[in-house]
Amino acid sequence: DIQLTQSPSFLSASVGDRVTITCRASQGVSSYFAWYQQKPGKAPKLLISAASTLHSGVPSRFSGSGSGTDFSLTISSLQPEDFATYYCQQLISYPYTFGQGTKLEIK
Amino acid sequence: EGQLVESGGGLEQPGRSLRLACVASGFTSGVYAMSWVRQAPGKGLEWVAAIDGSGGTTYYADSVRGRFTISRDNSRNTLFLQMNSLRVEDTATYYCARDGRWVRMLEVWGQGTMVTVSS
Repeated sequence: DIQLTQSPSFLSASVGDRVTITCRASQGVSSYFAWYQQKPGKAPKLLISAASTLHSGVPSRFSGSGSGTDFSLTISSLQPEDFATYYCQQLISYPYTFGQGTKLEIK
Repeated sequence: EGQLVESGGGLEQPGRSLRLACVASGFTSGVYAMSWVRQAPGKGLEWVAAIDGSGGTTYYADSVRGRFTISRDNSRNTLFLQMNSLRVEDTATYYCARDGRWVRMLEVWGQGTMVTVSS
């Protein structure tokens, strides 16, 4: 199975900050990679697919990059509604593993 | 984009069974692969199982293989997860999710149904 190591696990930041979350795969996954946002008590929401494609309706301050084993999610200017937990996922082969999550908190 | 609504969760004893259902609306379900993803209380996301659009091919996480069975009835736009030999560690919120048509991604998610396994 492909393991995903996401970092950091916790991130404290302020409104307006630029933040980056990274995810490393134990083997190459090409661009079969996605990012999700989850708020407490809610289902995850897709942010980015194919490593860098912004999903419909997702604000342009979110961006994804990477290919192979190293990926990143960047939020260019944090807004109050962005404080949530973020997960990465590989979709090149089953099981479609997730990273352990990054909880983004208000400083 | 479509909507998914799960049902069937509840409290069950270890060793017993539960069957979850996920009803799809707003799209032709047989066109899409579907997955179940679970989240234990306070923990991260765990992919559990997937099925292709026709229902002919299934995939499972090692943690549930041999105990859980994913299936679908496209005539009823419904996805199922039969959960047998339940364990305490199966306690979680279970989400169904729709794959993308041309791009691999979990594009649409249900609201989740809670399963608690306890004696």
